[in-house]
Amino acid sequence: GENVEQHPSTLSVQEGDSAVIKCTYSDSASNYFPWYKQELGKRPQLIIDIRSNVGEKKDQRIAVTLNKTAKHFSLHITETQPEDSAVYFCAAAKGTSYGKLTFGQGTILTVHP
Amino acid sequence: DVKVTQSSRYLVKRTGEKVFLECVQDMDHENMFWYRQDPGLGLRLIYFSYDVKMKEKGDIPEGYSVSREKKERFSLILESASTNQTSMYLCASIPPRRYNNEQFFGPGTRLTVL
Repeated sequence: GENVEQHPSTLSVQEGDSAVIKCTYSDSASNYFPWYKQELGKRPQLIIDIRSNVGEKKDQRIAVTLNKTAKHFSLHITETQPEDSAVYFCAAAKGTSYGKLTFGQGTILTVHP
Repeated sequence: DVKVTQSSRYLVKRTGEKVFLECVQDMDHENMFWYRQDPGLGLRLIYFSYDVKMKEKGDIPEGYSVSREKKERFSLILESASTNQTSMYLCASIPPRRYNNEQFFGPGTRLTVL
């Protein structure tokens, strides 16, 4: 089955800096890669996603890049703010999988004011 | 607005008890999922269901079973709870005819098995 590895497990940055979280996946048939944000005590919520026919997608301060050849994708957050502090999860899915996602281990991002 | 609810936020049970965790969605979702979340391990899929009475094992089904008698309700059952099942349990669902696989999560149930 699919295996998703996520790094780093913790990331600490100063407000205004950029943050990058990286994931690798094992199944070349995976074609959908979402990122979820989970604030303390709250449920995970989708923040951005990318499909395998696109190399990069941007939404304001967050962007995701995908390298299909290397089977890795990354989340980039620019101009970080304290409210970006949360746990971030990457995931991968195949189109025929009933929407089943395989998640990475999570990254605890702390943005210091 | 999509709404996924879980029966309890916190639950404390004793070893050997039978435990029921319930998830309800109010938007006619077809696919529903149960995960457990543990620090450093991310979200791991226990079981999922793609229709009433249909279920499939996820990555860690051992010690768990599920029930989906109605479309809006997906139950996770711990037949005989053990201490290693102490965890946060999250339910999720996908609305029909979505372009992507965006999952909508419930608030989670923190289960402690003593």
